[in-house]
Amino acid sequence: DQQVKQNSPSLSVQEGRISILNCDYTNSMFDYFLWYKKYPAEGPTFLISISSIKDKNEDGRFTVFLNKSAKHLSLHIVPSQPGDSAVYFCAASGETSGSRLTFGEGTQLTVNP
Amino acid sequence: NAGVTQTPKFQVLKTGQSMTLQCAQDMNHEYMSWYRQDPGMGLRLIHYSVGAGITDQGEVPNGYNVSRSTTEDFPLRLLSAAPSQTSVYFCASSYSPTGLYGYTFGSGTRLTVV
Repeated sequence: DQQVKQNSPSLSVQEGRISILNCDYTNSMFDYFLWYKKYPAEGPTFLISISSIKDKNEDGRFTVFLNKSAKHLSLHIVPSQPGDSAVYFCAASGETSGSRLTFGEGTQLTVNP
Repeated sequence: NAGVTQTPKFQVLKTGQSMTLQCAQDMNHEYMSWYRQDPGMGLRLIHYSVGAGITDQGEVPNGYNVSRSTTEDFPLRLLSAAPSQTSVYFCASSYSPTGLYGYTFGSGTRLTVV
């Protein structure tokens, strides 16, 4: 039972354009949603998060949008840079889930110069 | 440098052997977790801890043991290694239980069981 799903294993965009990474979830008890970025042979690095009481959170080039009714969130990267090429993981947690994060499968983003 | 330190970085075990993956953090975080990453499956939670002396099972706990005697250390023990435990293991810590402000991950241990 995959509670957090990232349906696109890969995404390729041109430098300077927008990258949109998508994530769907099924568990309505999730209250917090996070995005992580992972380079090969390194641990995941926290990017940005959003609480379920918000529908948008912005940090520099990164914006996360949350649509609770659709149980869908997306990460927008504008403008995309070659250094953004990495695997992006969506994760979710809840007030009652202790310190447990549930991760999606990941999306490999490639930004072409 | 402050952060989460995992050792070793690489390990090859024979089936049936046991070993301990070490994890230490120097940020005084209460919340620590172990994940394994397998191709196409994201990261799956093995065990987690909400403070010294308190641990609980995650999604895939079978074949692994943990203990948390200090705030800083959270070792993961493989009792009798099996090829299905070939994976990359990540330890993470946070001061927030929900991870809203981010979990800090170690650089991982790549384990191969032959």
